[in-house]
Amino acid sequence: GENVEQHPSTLSVQEGDSAVIKCTYSDSASNYFPWYKQELGKGPQLIIDIRSNVGEKKDQRIAVTLNKTAKHFSLHITETQPEDSAVYFCAASPSGTYKYIFGTGTRLKVLA
Amino acid sequence: DGGITQSPKYLFRKEGQNVTLSCEQNLNHDAMYWYRQDPGQGLRLIYYSQIVNDFQKGDIAEGYSVSREKKESFPLTVTSAQKNPTAFYLCASSPAAGGDYGYTFGSGTRLTVV
Repeated sequence: GENVEQHPSTLSVQEGDSAVIKCTYSDSASNYFPWYKQELGKGPQLIIDIRSNVGEKKDQRIAVTLNKTAKHFSLHITETQPEDSAVYFCAASPSGTYKYIFGTGTRLKVLA
Repeated sequence: DGGITQSPKYLFRKEGQNVTLSCEQNLNHDAMYWYRQDPGQGLRLIYYSQIVNDFQKGDIAEGYSVSREKKESFPLTVTSAQKNPTAFYLCASSPAAGGDYGYTFGSGTRLTVV
């Protein structure tokens, strides 16, 4: 079945450094790739998304890149701040379905 | 402000008891979803509804039931048939069904079996 692999499972960076989280998906027909941030005890919040007809999208300190040939996409956070500490989930939307396939999450810790 | 409200925030269930988790949205979204979150396993889909009076099973529907009598509401019942119900439950909605819309999530309900 469809699968999304996410790496790393935990990531620690110094404040001001960059963080990169990578996901690989299995269904080549997937066409929508959102990223969610989940703070402790809260629901996930959509932070950025990308569609299959776009290779890169940026929103201030956050960017997402998509490589359709390799079937992987990545989240890039620059100039990290302590408030970026959270669990980040990627997801892919296989074509013809009404659901996402989520990755298993990355716990990001930004050290002050 | 528009959003999704889940209640209660914490819920305790005794063995053999059914419990119902509430999910209400005022975003005028057609589609609603229930996910279960366990440590290290990401989010798994329990049920989803594309429109009022219609819903479909997700990947782990056994031991759960839902209803969608109103556009705004999508309650989830955890029945006694669910053998391992302790988890964090998340409700979400999107403007329409189809996987190319971002979801809006509620703040979750943490269910514990006592």
